[in-house]
Amino acid sequence: SAVISQKPSRDICQRGTSLTIQCQVDSQVTMMFWYRQQPGQSLTLIATANQGSEATYESGFVIDKFPISRPNLTFSTLTVSNMSPEDSSIYLCSVGSGHSYEQYFGPGTRLTVT
Amino acid sequence: KNEVEQSPQNLTAQEGEFITINCSYSVGISALHWLQQHPGGGIVSLFMLSSGKKKHGRLIATINIQEKHSSLHITASHPRDSAVYICAVPNRDDKIIFGKGTRLHILP
Repeated sequence: SAVISQKPSRDICQRGTSLTIQCQVDSQVTMMFWYRQQPGQSLTLIATANQGSEATYESGFVIDKFPISRPNLTFSTLTVSNMSPEDSSIYLCSVGSGHSYEQYFGPGTRLTVT
Repeated sequence: KNEVEQSPQNLTAQEGEFITINCSYSVGISALHWLQQHPGGGIVSLFMLSSGKKKHGRLIATINIQEKHSSLHITASHPRDSAVYICAVPNRDDKIIFGKGTRLHILP
């Protein structure tokens, strides 16, 4: 298993600003993923964070809005840019070994945009 | 049709009751996840299973691959079991598809 930490755990931000969320894993992992959970909705994959290359974004998510970094095999960041109230969600980091049946989830970051 | 459907959406029960949450899916899978999400938002992976049955403490998960159905059972339920329980399945593109979750509330 993997132990995942996220920072911050929660934040309240003003419209138009940006927030960077950090995800740290206690071991080297192949796959890192970022998810969003809007209020009352299920988790939706934003992108796969690839080490040493650009992230792979899902339909409906773009790099300008959600830039992602993955400088090494234990760390990734997700930035939510130019925030609006619609970005108020829980953002979750997860890690996997490259097989879809092995994923571990971080504690999440609860973002409120006013 | 959603690829992963859970029932019930909400469940309130008395402490000590036996709880069953169901998950049906329409995609072919290698394994199915049961996750627990607490009010703060953090998610804990409870089970990953691809066949049969798994047990961990008071939690039991079963899966029927032919019927594309899984159940999560909680025996001797306790208020601290109150959470959202989420079923998740990888689709053909190997991406995880999540159910909308079952909100469980156990009354003392």
